Amino acid sequence: DIQMTQSPSSLSASVGDRVTITCRASQSISSYLNWFQQKPGKPPKLLIYAASSLPSGVPSRFSGSGSGTDFTLTISSLQPEDFATYYCQQSYSTPRTFGQGTKVEIK
Amino acid sequence: QVQLVQSGAEVKKPGASVKVSCKASGYTFTTYGISWVRQAPGQGLEWMGWISTYNGNTNYAQKLQGRVTMTTDTSTSTAYMELRSLRSDDTAVYYCARDSGSYHVLDNWGQGTLVTVSS
Repeated sequence: DIQMTQSPSSLSASVGDRVTITCRASQSISSYLNWFQQKPGKPPKLLIYAASSLPSGVPSRFSGSGSGTDFTLTISSLQPEDFATYYCQQSYSTPRTFGQGTKVEIK
Repeated sequence: QVQLVQSGAEVKKPGASVKVSCKASGYTFTTYGISWVRQAPGQGLEWMGWISTYNGNTNYAQKLQGRVTMTTDTSTSTAYMELRSLRSDDTAVYYCARDSGSYHVLDNWGQGTLVTVSS
């Protein structure tokens, strides 16, 4: 199985901050990397797919980059509605494993 | 708009089975797969498996092999996930998600179904 490791596990930030979350795969996954946002009591929401593509309706302050084993999710200017937990997921092979999550909290 | 509506919460005893449904609307059901993902209380996301709504092919997580069955009813655009021999560590919220394209992107999710396993 491909292991996905996110860092940090949690972070505190202020509104307006630039936030970066990293995700590392235990083997190359090309660009088969997706990012999700989850708020308490809600299902995950797709933020980024294929490492850097933004689905319709997702604000442009979210961006993704990387390929191979190292990936990054960046929020250019953190907004109040962005406080949530973020997960990466590889869809290169089954089982399509998730990272352990990064909780973004208010400083 | 795309919607996935799941069945309601369940309470089961250890050793029992549960079957969760996921009714799709707003798109052609057989042109996208369905994946199932679960989340234990306070924990992260765990991919359980995938079913092709086109031909019924399945791919299950190894740890669930033998206990899980995913099926679809194309006449009602509904996917089902059955989990047998339930244990306390199967207590979780179970999500279905539309599985899109060659990148297997989970682009739309059901609201989740809480399954509690308790004696």
